Amino acid sequence: EVQLVESGGGLVQPGGSLRLSCAASGFTFSSYWMHWVRQAPGKGLVWVSRISSDGSSTNYADSVRGRFTISRDNARNTLYLQMNSLRDEDTAVYYCTRGRLGFYFDYWGLGTLVTVSS
Amino acid sequence: QSALTQPASVSGSPGQSITISCTGTSSDVGTYNYVSWYQQHPGKAPKLMIYDVTNRPSGVSNRFSGSKSGNTASLTISGLQAEDEADYYCSSYTSSSIWVFGGGTKLTVL
Repeated sequence: EVQLVESGGGLVQPGGSLRLSCAASGFTFSSYWMHWVRQAPGKGLVWVSRISSDGSSTNYADSVRGRFTISRDNARNTLYLQMNSLRDEDTAVYYCTRGRLGFYFDYWGLGTLVTVSS
Repeated sequence: QSALTQPASVSGSPGQSITISCTGTSSDVGTYNYVSWYQQHPGKAPKLMIYDVTNRPSGVSNRFSGSKSGNTASLTISGLQAEDEADYYCSSYTSSSIWVFGGGTKLTVL
């Protein structure tokens, strides 16, 4: 059974940093692209970032480029999102999701809440 | 990259059919057959319902179907059931090598 479990969310002040993790199991993690998608309270889904199966290629939404870094450890079956220079508008539930054939998201974690507030 | 455009809400009675539209541009929906749809119940994670415009994952009811014409994709739900009441989001790959979601549509089953 495919499982994605996010962790690392919490309350952080504007300008602060946080690192999210996503532990994957039930599939060959190193064979799949992975993505982060976020959802602000009461709002819609927003794609954040994507990383290739071997970690050599990444993409970012304009709103986070230069502040967030996606990475992965295939030996530990874990996806990461390093978030720096956090802003109020980064407050959201962050979902880890598996990219299928690269272009859609077939499994999702339950999400981890990041709150940016002073 | 702007979000895809979806109606904020749609509604229908049990047994009826409804269609949710998803309008993009020639840089996303119009060029790529990589439109997918997701169902999200309150407080839950999204669930894949349709991928590559028309394909249904294993386990998803055949009451759900997808289509595309030009820059607009559509999700049709036939034989509406109470359990279909949820938020629905479309998504597309784009020419900028990023992904974009629609703003979401709240489906109410009357």
